Amino acid sequence: GQSLEQPSEVTAVEGAIVQINCTYQTSGFYGLSWYQQHDGGAPTFLSYNALDGLEETGRFSSFLSRSDSYGYLLLQELQMKDSASYFCAVRDPRAGNTDKLIFGTGTRLQVFP
Amino acid sequence: IAGITQAPTSQILAAGRRMTLRCTQDMRHNAMYWYRQDLGLGLRLIHYSNTAGTTGKGEVPDGYSVSRANTDDFPLTLASAVPSQTSVYFCASSDGGWGIDNEQFFGPGTRLTVL
Repeated sequence: GQSLEQPSEVTAVEGAIVQINCTYQTSGFYGLSWYQQHDGGAPTFLSYNALDGLEETGRFSSFLSRSDSYGYLLLQELQMKDSASYFCAVRDPRAGNTDKLIFGTGTRLQVFP
Repeated sequence: IAGITQAPTSQILAAGRRMTLRCTQDMRHNAMYWYRQDLGLGLRLIHYSNTAGTTGKGEVPDGYSVSRANTDDFPLTLASAVPSQTSVYFCASSDGGWGIDNEQFFGPGTRLTVL
């Protein structure tokens, strides 16, 4: 089957750095995505890694190691507004030529002053 | 319209009633999706459509049906609602195909309570 695992909750203080890990098990692999969701809001796309290595977008970076079936989202210079849930997702390998995704259960990040 | 809209924003429904959740996108995306989100379970795919005229079952399709008569609209119908269908429902869309980044765009959600 296809599955993703991520911690259920992470806490940190403003200005700190936090890493949210995601391990996946899929029969095929086409890339790892990250989405952010604030309470009461809709998920929004943050990043996508198809190849090994680190992708940086401002304060957020995403890393992928395909050999380890592992990735992480790194948030630097944390701000209160970063308090949200973060979901990793992989393309469903059974879905063929589509963007159909399988989502992890999400990591709730709480940032304290 | 900009992006994806969903209606209604929220609804309280008696068990056994029929309900259609509406979803419209103006990005001319080929693919559309319906998810339900329950606490601790993340986003679970109900049904999807790769292109107008085609639909497919997701992870939790029972009790739900969809149609895709055109590119823009993707309604989700609960034929006879049950309390276990109480959830937040999100519609999403994407370019479809081997896109650069698989990005899905989500609507604001519909909070449904079945009593």
